[in-house]
Amino acid sequence: QVQLQESGPGLVQPSETLSLTCTVSGDSINSYYWSWIRQPAGKGLEWIGRMYNGGSPNYSPSLKSRVTMSVDTSKKEVSLKMRSVTAADTAVYYCARAGEYGFLDYWGQGRLVTVSS
Amino acid sequence: DIVVTQAPDSLAVSLGERATINCKSSQSVLYSSSNKNYLAWYQQKPGQPPKLLIYWASTRESGVPDRFSGSGSGTDFTLTISSLQAEDVAVYYCQQYYSSPLTFGGGTKVEI
Repeated sequence: QVQLQESGPGLVQPSETLSLTCTVSGDSINSYYWSWIRQPAGKGLEWIGRMYNGGSPNYSPSLKSRVTMSVDTSKKEVSLKMRSVTAADTAVYYCARAGEYGFLDYWGQGRLVTVSS
Repeated sequence: DIVVTQAPDSLAVSLGERATINCKSSQSVLYSSSNKNYLAWYQQKPGQPPKLLIYWASTRESGVPDRFSGSGSGTDFTLTISSLQAEDVAVYYCQQYYSSPLTFGGGTKVEI
C-alpha cells in the first residue's frame, strides 16, 4: 500500500522560505512523477509542479520563480521549497504520485501551512 | 495554459437520483495518436485529500463503484453518478493532464 506523508513547519514568516517534505512508503520512489498541489481554505486545487527522479522538474509558470522541488531516493523523500512567501501562500499542501501520464493516483493527507508573523 | 471550467458550482440531488457534472477544457485534451483523452476526475470529501475516481476520461480507478462514470471527448466531458448515495456528498474536480501546467476545474459541490 503506497503511502505519502507531508511534513514541515505549519507556520512560516512572511518573506521567508516554506519547506515541506513528502515521505514515500510502500513503493519505489523511482519510475513515478511526484507532484505538489495546494489548496487554500475553502478553495480549489492549484498544481505547483512535478518532478521525476533524475529528470528536470516542471513548475507552474505562476510559481516557477519561487519554487524548487527535489527528490532524495535514499530517504524516499520529495521536497518542496517556496521562497518569499506571503499570506496568499497559506494553504494545505499535498504531495501526490503520478504515473507516466499525469493523473494523480495517490495523495498524502496534506499539510496546512500558514504564512503569518 | 489549458483552462478547465466546471458546471455547475454546486448541485443538490435526492438520494438515488442522478447527478451530472460538466467539465470543459479550453482546448482539446484528446491525444490523436493514442485516441485517449487526458482528463481525470477526483472526489474530495471534507478534511480529506482528493481521491482519483476516473482517468482517460472514462476509466474507473480500481475500487470505485460503478455508479460513477465518465464520458466525453475533446473539450467536453461529464461525470455522472447514476444513483446518488449519502457517501457521495463531496466536491468533485476534473483535471487535464494533456499539457503542463496541469490544471484543475474549480470544483462542483454535490449535496443531498
